[in-house]
Amino acid sequence: DVKVTQSSRYLVKRTGEKVFLECVQDMDHENMFWYRQDPGLGLRLIYFSYDVKMKEKGDIPEGYSVSREKKERFSLILESASTNQTSMYLCASRRDRNTGELFFGEGSRLTVL
Amino acid sequence: ILNVEQSPQSLHVQEGDSTNFTCSFPSSNFYALHWYRWETAKSPEALFVMTLNGDEKKKGRISATLNTKEGYSYLYIKGSQPEDSATYLCAFSLRNQGGKLIFGQGTELSVKP
Repeated sequence: DVKVTQSSRYLVKRTGEKVFLECVQDMDHENMFWYRQDPGLGLRLIYFSYDVKMKEKGDIPEGYSVSREKKERFSLILESASTNQTSMYLCASRRDRNTGELFFGEGSRLTVL
Repeated sequence: ILNVEQSPQSLHVQEGDSTNFTCSFPSSNFYALHWYRWETAKSPEALFVMTLNGDEKKKGRISATLNTKEGYSYLYIKGSQPEDSATYLCAFSLRNQGGKLIFGQGTELSVKP
């Protein structure tokens, strides 16, 4: 069974803390994505990566960075967490760059106090 | 600003009822339309990826149609069951955007036994 695994389902952090959200996929996909989901809004793209060590900004990259050191792993980093980053974070991967379905992880719900 | 509108936002039906949702998107430069089902505490899962005007796809009791000229897609569920309760997400991509998906806010379906 193909899988996208996010390291933490629930996290509670304090304002100013550095937060790492890890995502691993076992499908050998080159393309990986980080989204956040907030009530009443669609999934919004934060960052994506088409290859190892490659990253591109999505629609809402401010306050976030990413790391893609290995093909299977894509990490989202909040350098200094703020309360407006309280959200559900979803990682996804896809085989082809421009086409095909996304495979999602189960999400990481982050609360920043 | 590119926008995807889904309606209704939420829907409560009885077991056995048939139901349908709408996804509206900009029709120019269309590339692909995706439907995902997101059950609570699980990963969003792809239902359909559609690219051609007039496309109709079916998976069990669920089917979808696509009209790229007028910019809408319908998702139908025949004889809803409690296990169909989920949030249904639609997303579209444009030809000149490298396959980047823009998501609607979702339709939350609750099916009561």
